[in-house]
Amino acid sequence: QVQLQQWGAGLLKPSETLSLTCAVYGGSFSDYYWSWIRQPPGKGLERIGEINHYGSASYNPSLKSRVTMSVDTSKNHFSLNLRSVTAADTAVYYCARFGYDFSFDSWGQGTLVTVSS
Amino acid sequence: QTVVTQESSFSVSPGGTVTLTCGLSYGSVSTTSYPSWYQQNPGQAPRTLIYNTNKRSSGVPDRFSGSILGNKAALTITGAQADDESAYHCLLFVGSGIVFGGGTTLTVL
Repeated sequence: QVQLQQWGAGLLKPSETLSLTCAVYGGSFSDYYWSWIRQPPGKGLERIGEINHYGSASYNPSLKSRVTMSVDTSKNHFSLNLRSVTAADTAVYYCARFGYDFSFDSWGQGTLVTVSS
Repeated sequence: QTVVTQESSFSVSPGGTVTLTCGLSYGSVSTTSYPSWYQQNPGQAPRTLIYNTNKRSSGVPDRFSGSILGNKAALTITGAQADDESAYHCLLFVGSGIVFGGGTTLTVL
């Protein structure tokens, strides 16, 4: 049974960089894509992007200019960096495993990131 | 950019049947859209209910079922229970990537 545990700073100022990491416990790290998803307060889910164990990533076009995802295969971790944040980036951020059938089958617990001056 | 559409809210009586839908701003949803459905309670991470149109995730009660109805994906809850009151999100593969719908808030009353 795979488990995802995530962490990172919860309060940022505008223009700073959001950094989150997700650790994968159990299951195969190399057989899946690993994803970040966010949810602004009171709103729906938004895909940020996915990355595989080779470090090949695909990003949401609306965020692509500010996003970098990376992997550390030695630790079964993957990370998200989002540059130049604004209040509009305030959201709960989730890491998730992206399975073979184009669905998310395991989720992290979520991290609330607030951007405020 | 492709928009995935869902009803913003819906209500069902306890024991009743409700069908939530998931469509595209342009075009039709089919099995090659690989629709999946997620249930989310306040303050919690989403839970995967249905993937690949109609496959139930482990532990999901069989009162939840997925299908294609016309040109949309559908999630049907048969015999709704009080703890089905949640937000339901759909996800579609649209060729250029994967896109979530805006979510449906389901009230059981």
